[in-house]
Amino acid sequence: ILNVEQSPQSLHVQEGDSTNFTCSFPSSNFYALHWYRWETAKSPEALFVMTLNGDEKKKGRISATLNTKEGYSYLYIKGSQPEDSATYLCAFMVSTTSGTYKYIFGTGTRLKVLA
Amino acid sequence: DADVTQTPRNRITKTGKRIMLECSQTKGHDRMYWYRQDPGLGLRLIYYSFDVKDINKGEISDGYSVSRQAQAKFSLSLESAIPNQTALYFCATSRQQGERLETQYFGPGTRLLVL
Repeated sequence: ILNVEQSPQSLHVQEGDSTNFTCSFPSSNFYALHWYRWETAKSPEALFVMTLNGDEKKKGRISATLNTKEGYSYLYIKGSQPEDSATYLCAFMVSTTSGTYKYIFGTGTRLKVLA
Repeated sequence: DADVTQTPRNRITKTGKRIMLECSQTKGHDRMYWYRQDPGLGLRLIYYSFDVKDINKGEISDGYSVSRQAQAKFSLSLESAIPNQTALYFCATSRQQGERLETQYFGPGTRLLVL
């Protein structure tokens, strides 16, 4: 059974703090790793897609790294702001024996940034 | 206008009733997906379709069926609803062009309550 784990499940940080969280996934049959940002009462929105070991992506104050050999990705937020409060989901894409692929989502890390 | 729309947004039904959730997209994507989200669990894939003639079961397809009426439309049916199908349902779309993998775009979700 393929499992994607995210940690921590939730965290509170003060405005201005930097923070990071982890997505762990099986290292076999890796195809891609996605990060999504999911605000309450909205639908998930894509942040990054990463495919290569060592990939680093950056969008404003948010960045992500990927290690496919050991099966983890980190998401970093520098100088957290209240508007960063959301659930951050990762989704692991794995290739299947039938030549297609499937997405497996983690349960997310709920971030609350306190003003 | 939203690129991925879902109807209805909220639905209350009774055990044993047949209901259909609809998803439409204007993104021109060939791939469409149905997920459900339950508290404490990640998004779980119900069905996915890579084009109009292609339908695939996800990890939790029992009790559900789908129809891909056109490239832009993907419907999810609960033939005989049961209370443990109470959940938040998301439709998503994606497109792959050659080696470039695009991320998924989500609809706003349908909140379903089965009494």
